[in-house]
Amino acid sequence: DAGVIQSPRHEVTEMGQEVTLRCKPISGHNSLFWYRQTMMRGLELLIYFNNNVPIDDSGMPEDRFSAKMPNASFSTLKIQPSEPRDSAVYFCASSFGGMELFFGSGTQLSVL
Amino acid sequence: KNQVEQSPQSLIILEGKNCTLQCNYTVSPFSNLRWYKQDTGRGPVSLTIMTFSENTKSNGRYTATLDADTKQSSLHITASQLSDSASYICVVSPIKAAGNKLTFGGGTRVLVKP
Repeated sequence: DAGVIQSPRHEVTEMGQEVTLRCKPISGHNSLFWYRQTMMRGLELLIYFNNNVPIDDSGMPEDRFSAKMPNASFSTLKIQPSEPRDSAVYFCASSFGGMELFFGSGTQLSVL
Repeated sequence: KNQVEQSPQSLIILEGKNCTLQCNYTVSPFSNLRWYKQDTGRGPVSLTIMTFSENTKSNGRYTATLDADTKQSSLHITASQLSDSASYICVVSPIKAAGNKLTFGGGTRVLVKP
């Protein structure tokens, strides 16, 4: 298996633009997580899906953030409108049963 | 508040030397503790997972220890290699298989010099 695949690897956008991050989890995994990592705050959980259903979105910072998982092999994290303080590395991770997490390589987002 | 504190924040070691990273946590209840390695520009990769009943676990040159009584863990790197240069993150879970309840430490950045 190729592991968790995220795209794009880098995204540079201007404030106010819509940003969509994509994730393909490992086949057979039933849990998917979106994390944000910054130097100041480290890794923070944004949202957690189990069997494609959002279970815990308490980490989503505000209404500008939304996430979907239309099927077991694809998820998106959308920011609309984007702001400079959204600049961070966004990771997607998947697991079977929530025990061992497998992370993607992340999307480096820069909002100018 | 559940917290995971790691020390030191960073360290530099010479290739071939050993080093030990520390992790103290206040998470309660406690189910398991994980150590992850994160290379620059990559996502974290799991090194070890220990439950409260395990006090040591090895993965190659990496050995993790756990003292659930004092709520302390350490990660020992033996005979360091240049490829060990990375951030090491301690993660604690209060509930088994609760991937959304993890508390992450701030990490220790290790630089191995030739």
